[in-house]
Amino acid sequence: AQSVTQLGSHVSVSEGALVLLRCNYSSSVPPYLFWYVQYPNQGLQLLLKYTSAATLVKGINGFEAEFKKSETSFHLTKPSAHMSDAAEYFCAVTQGGGYNKLIFGAGTRLAVHP
Amino acid sequence: DADVTQTPRNRITKTGKRIMLECSQTKGHDRMYWYRQDPGLGLRLIYYSFDVKDINKGEISDGYSVSRQAQAKFSLSLESAIPNQTALYFCATSPPAADYGYTFGSGTRLTVV
Repeated sequence: AQSVTQLGSHVSVSEGALVLLRCNYSSSVPPYLFWYVQYPNQGLQLLLKYTSAATLVKGINGFEAEFKKSETSFHLTKPSAHMSDAAEYFCAVTQGGGYNKLIFGAGTRLAVHP
Repeated sequence: DADVTQTPRNRITKTGKRIMLECSQTKGHDRMYWYRQDPGLGLRLIYYSFDVKDINKGEISDGYSVSRQAQAKFSLSLESAIPNQTALYFCATSPPAADYGYTFGSGTRLTVV
């Protein structure tokens, strides 16, 4: 069975600092991995996805993530945090073969302070 | 208009009442999903439908039912609402390709008192 673990339910950074949100997955087959962002009172918006092409994936708003098979990780980073990055971030995993059900992590709430 | 529209956006209902949450999409995708979001638990799958005639239970389907009225419409019902069904509910849609990802609605915040 697939699963996702997000380390740290809350992360706080200063504006301009590096953002690192951690995600580890478990999957018996090559996974597809996603990061979604949820701004207050909104739905989930796709940030980026890994689909077995390049292991370093670039997304919207300056975010990127690197797929590391040996570490079963897909951590999300941004070099310089902006106040507008404050939101909740979800890592999710699915597999191919027609199943296509996304399994979500518990989420990480990112706070950015001046 | 939004790709995935959920109604109502907010709802307060009493214990024991029946309530329906509605979802419609304009993406033209066959697959639709209902998730529930609770703090610290992420999103959990309630039901999913791969086409109009294919409806499946997710990990937390007890106390819920669904209806797929058309390719574009997927409704979630709580037959007899209870307080621990207080949550944020999301509808989503996707094509069959697993690498596409989901398109989510803006959510329905349901409070059962």
